[in-house]
Amino acid sequence: QSVLTQPPSASGTPGQRVTISCSGSSSNIGSNYVYWYQQLPGTAPKLLIYRNNQRPSGVPDRFSGSKSGTSASLAISGLRSEDEADYYCAAWDDSLSGLFGGGTKLTVL
Amino acid sequence: EVQLVQSGAEVKKPGESLKISCKGSGYSFTSYWIGWVRQMPGKGLEWMGIIYPGDSDTRYSPSFQGQVTISADKSISTAYLQWSSLKASDTAMYYCARLISLGELLDYWGQGTLVTVSS
Repeated sequence: QSVLTQPPSASGTPGQRVTISCSGSSSNIGSNYVYWYQQLPGTAPKLLIYRNNQRPSGVPDRFSGSKSGTSASLAISGLRSEDEADYYCAAWDDSLSGLFGGGTKLTVL
Repeated sequence: EVQLVQSGAEVKKPGESLKISCKGSGYSFTSYWIGWVRQMPGKGLEWMGIIYPGDSDTRYSPSFQGQVTISADKSISTAYLQWSSLKASDTAMYYCARLISLGELLDYWGQGTLVTVSS
């Protein structure tokens, strides 16, 4: 069981807005930045959001991140079929290790 | 352009040893930590450990301490992950990735190395 808790699945129709939650504790999300990764089928994870709400160059502004206390969320607006993927939240923990959430499989209906 | 290129897929028998590699280019290899991440078949991402190639400072996740060895050769900008005695449960995809900085997470990822351990 992962220390960062995500729902195992989420879904939406094209054009909809979908949010994925990530819950942690004071030693990880509560005191460090949150990151989000997108993993398309058969590929390596890709950085989607860093430092809670920053997008790397090339990531569409349809993707946004937020953090409050020991929880964080990823929002995807204007959902598209190519957004169908696994999404992972991650954070540094004060035990000097990185942590990943269990992952959320997003289905575009 | 930052790139991390990993060695190819491996098929090994239980009890055999293995060392896989991750070569960095397009940035100062000695100035960024490199992390290793395991993904077992159909499962999520697991943090294994990190190394700072500049001085080989290494930090392991408790779950992987003693199970693997992380090393680096800064002269050839390459990090390594090795096993002395593989088990079937080591079957997984292994990714290397660059840390933004210590206390932050991973930005650039390698393509992954599939390790299959089967008798």
